[in-house]
Amino acid sequence: QKEVEQDPGPLSVPEGAIVSLNCTYSNSAFQYFMWYRQYSRKGPELLMYTYSSGNKEDGRFTAQVDKSSKYISLFIRDSQPSDSATYLCAMANSGGSNYKLTFGKGTLLTVNP
Amino acid sequence: NAGVMQNPRHLVRRRGQEARLRCSPMKGHSHVYWYRQLPEEGLKFMVYLQKENIIDESGMPKERFSAEFPKEGPSILRIQQVVRGDSAAYFCASSATSGVYNEQFFGPGTRLTVL
Repeated sequence: QKEVEQDPGPLSVPEGAIVSLNCTYSNSAFQYFMWYRQYSRKGPELLMYTYSSGNKEDGRFTAQVDKSSKYISLFIRDSQPSDSATYLCAMANSGGSNYKLTFGKGTLLTVNP
Repeated sequence: NAGVMQNPRHLVRRRGQEARLRCSPMKGHSHVYWYRQLPEEGLKFMVYLQKENIIDESGMPKERFSAEFPKEGPSILRIQQVVRGDSAAYFCASSATSGVYNEQFFGPGTRLTVL
């Protein structure tokens, strides 16, 4: 079983739709949870960062972490064509090696005008 | 403020040749990380370096791969005697300090193709 599982999609939605992206994980030591956005032929850029369980909102983006289910989500409201990208979840444990990010495969999202 | 720079962006090598990938961190950053993204796979941690020190190379293949971050100049990821399985995108990231609270900023990657 992979440490982090993420449905690669592709996911195609109309402009204005609510998008839900998810990851599951198996390593209970993960305490830090991140979502990165990666445009084609570019490097990943950090979108959201959450510590432990709970919700975090930033504009149109909401990140949720449910540690009891080992399940994290990213919601995008009022999706825009500029949101079309690959979304990567990433996780890190607490302790001395918390710089070591473990990524999902990424979900390719297309928002159609 | 320029972001993380990587060069070359694309590199083609024949089997058995050497590949050298360069990474210049963001200004003021002294922590560098290399990740590899194989086709259809997520990014995988390879190595974490500070100036003149390898801190964690637990993700590096045991043979043919090496990394350095000299006092002056960019960080170098070196792959000797490349094989087709080394074909991947190699991303470098940098941070101001270590620890997950300190965002890792990623470069655009070097796409290595081994013929």
